[in-house]
Amino acid sequence: DAGVIQSPRHEVTEMGQEVTLRCKPISGHNSLFWYRQTMMRGLELLIYFNNNVPIDDSGMPEDRFSAKMPNASFSTLKIQPSEPRDSAVYFCASTRDSQSNQPQHFGDGTRLSIL
Amino acid sequence: AQSVTQLGSHVSVSEGALVLLRCNYSSSVPPYLFWYVQYPNQGLQLLLKYTSAATLVKGINGFEAEFKKSETSFHLTKPSAHMSDAAEYFCAVTPSGTGGFKTIFGAGTRLFVKA
Repeated sequence: DAGVIQSPRHEVTEMGQEVTLRCKPISGHNSLFWYRQTMMRGLELLIYFNNNVPIDDSGMPEDRFSAKMPNASFSTLKIQPSEPRDSAVYFCASTRDSQSNQPQHFGDGTRLSIL
Repeated sequence: AQSVTQLGSHVSVSEGALVLLRCNYSSSVPPYLFWYVQYPNQGLQLLLKYTSAATLVKGINGFEAEFKKSETSFHLTKPSAHMSDAAEYFCAVTPSGTGGFKTIFGAGTRLFVKA
């Protein structure tokens, strides 16, 4: 079975540029999470979707960050304009439903470097 | 409010030795507890989970964890370390009835295995 698929795996761009990260959750999963991982702050939840609807975006750091989920099989996280402090590994995860006993299935992440 | 504390950001063991990674949590309601493993350049993968059934939970790769309510702990153990166990391990807690987006991850413990 295909897991959570993220693209690109690596992204290097200059500050000020727009960055779009993509995620395809596991088929049949209806909850999707975007995380950011850094050495300093660990794993931070940015936004959570349930049935394609954003439920909690309190972790989105600034208005420069936005996320969409136009359908059950695709989500994007956009940063515009990007800044060097946005450099991190961004993970997408999905679960079968929103119940709290469900483990999260993670993609392999996008390593983002903003120069 | 819930929290997760992993004692020791780094643990080093010799191959064949006991692995013990410590996790303590606080939660205002009965929690669901998880251990995840992260190998380099990969996302987090579920090792095991506690969801109020047996207090001793067996996971993949020979790992197990015991839920001790009186100690608010969920330590991860493996009787004999292999070189392939070298990775970062995350403890996570989700208060029951709150939904997966309330999952809190610990800061992680990096396990080193010496030959």
